[in-house]
Amino acid sequence: DTEVTQTPKHLVMGMTNKKSLKCEQHMGHRAMYWYKQKAKKPPELMFVYSYEKLSINESVPSRFSPECPNSSLLNLHLHALQPEDSALYLCASSQGQVPNEKLFFGSGTQLSVL
Amino acid sequence: GQQLNQSPQSMFIQEGEDVSMNCTSSSIFNTWLWYKQDPGEGPVLLIALYKAGELTSNGRLTAQFGITRKDSFLNISASIPSDVGIYFCAGLAYSGAGSYQLTFGKGTKLSVIP
Repeated sequence: DTEVTQTPKHLVMGMTNKKSLKCEQHMGHRAMYWYKQKAKKPPELMFVYSYEKLSINESVPSRFSPECPNSSLLNLHLHALQPEDSALYLCASSQGQVPNEKLFFGSGTQLSVL
Repeated sequence: GQQLNQSPQSMFIQEGEDVSMNCTSSSIFNTWLWYKQDPGEGPVLLIALYKAGELTSNGRLTAQFGITRKDSFLNISASIPSDVGIYFCAGLAYSGAGSYQLTFGKGTKLSVIP
């Protein structure tokens, strides 16, 4: 299994909603990432988990809350988002020996905040 | 922070033509990665380069790690319609205290005219 699986594929939410994005990989990778991508822009790093511990938080607002329940799963909890948070949210994983090396990306969750 | 200058920003080519794109920086990188992203999908890793001067092929794709470690190029030979997409370079560099930073270029949007 060489896939990173993200659910849901699309999500529409209001500014008062609470929702979660889910990511799963079974490649034995020990580093997992959340990226945010706006249209026609490169991915921007949000969070990195290394061996299930949060190792990087790129000054992301607290309305985004990551969680790594185990080495295969990564969640991103969303609460009180703003319309400017609408974007493609990408999960990625890597082997973990050299963080950020050879990222494998999921297909993303296209999020729209109304 | 480190910056990558990726060019061209976009290109229109005839099916069957060869394509060349590159990334340059004023910083040195340990690893260069090339990704392709289709609309509504996550980036897919095409080629990873680990040594200065390294030339690596993946089917019709060829990429090189520049001798100075500050640049990389990607060539696509005999383009076909499914080559359409956005190509991102990414450079991995040591950022101190045991950490590495991955920097993405802004992308090259490739359109292939049948």
